[in-house]
Amino acid sequence: GAVVSQHPSRVICKSGTSVKIECRSLDFQATTMFWYRQFPKKSLMLMATSNEGSKATYEQGVEKDKFLINHASLTLSTLTVTSAHPEDSSFYICSARGVGTREQYFGPGTRLTVT
Amino acid sequence: GEDVEQSLFLSVREGDSSVINCTYTDSSSTYLYWYKQEPGAGLQLLTYIFSNMDMKQDQRLTVLLNKKDKHLSLRIADTQTGDSAIYFCAESMTNAGNNRKLIWGLGTSLAVNP
Repeated sequence: GAVVSQHPSRVICKSGTSVKIECRSLDFQATTMFWYRQFPKKSLMLMATSNEGSKATYEQGVEKDKFLINHASLTLSTLTVTSAHPEDSSFYICSARGVGTREQYFGPGTRLTVT
Repeated sequence: GEDVEQSLFLSVREGDSSVINCTYTDSSSTYLYWYKQEPGAGLQLLTYIFSNMDMKQDQRLTVLLNKKDKHLSLRIADTQTGDSAIYFCAESMTNAGNNRKLIWGLGTSLAVNP
């Protein structure tokens, strides 16, 4: 149980375009979802926390107008990278936490490359 | 401040025990976690410990917590080649939106040699 999927697993886009990444909890309802960014040989950096039906809470230094997060249902959250730049190239990972639990279950990640 | 530190590399022989160490700064952390990330794969929760515990054992894994020194360790007994991965230590905190978030270490890359 507790499976989280992400789509796409890998995406290449051109500078200036927008990219949407989906995160789904497959067998549980995720009241809270987290979006992380992981640089090579670096730790995970939390970008934002989203609760279903409410606005996401962004970490300091993360531009909310650039990284749009929508948590429209208890099984789906999306991250849209708007007007992508090469420096947005990274590994984006989502995680989900169910009702009344403290464990976060992670998706497999999405590799974004902006050319 | 928020900071979690780990050594970056550890190399052991198959069958030996591995000990991965972590230090954290926030004394108000209630839970501390160990995650495993295999090459090209997502993060897998290995175990966690509540801050009022000193030790937790789960099969080959033993977690030791020294709250006074803010030191956490993960011991893997009888280390196997399949244990080769990056191990992340994380502490939980509450963010501005009153949500629990995890603060992560850089990860320790464990290499198991046959």
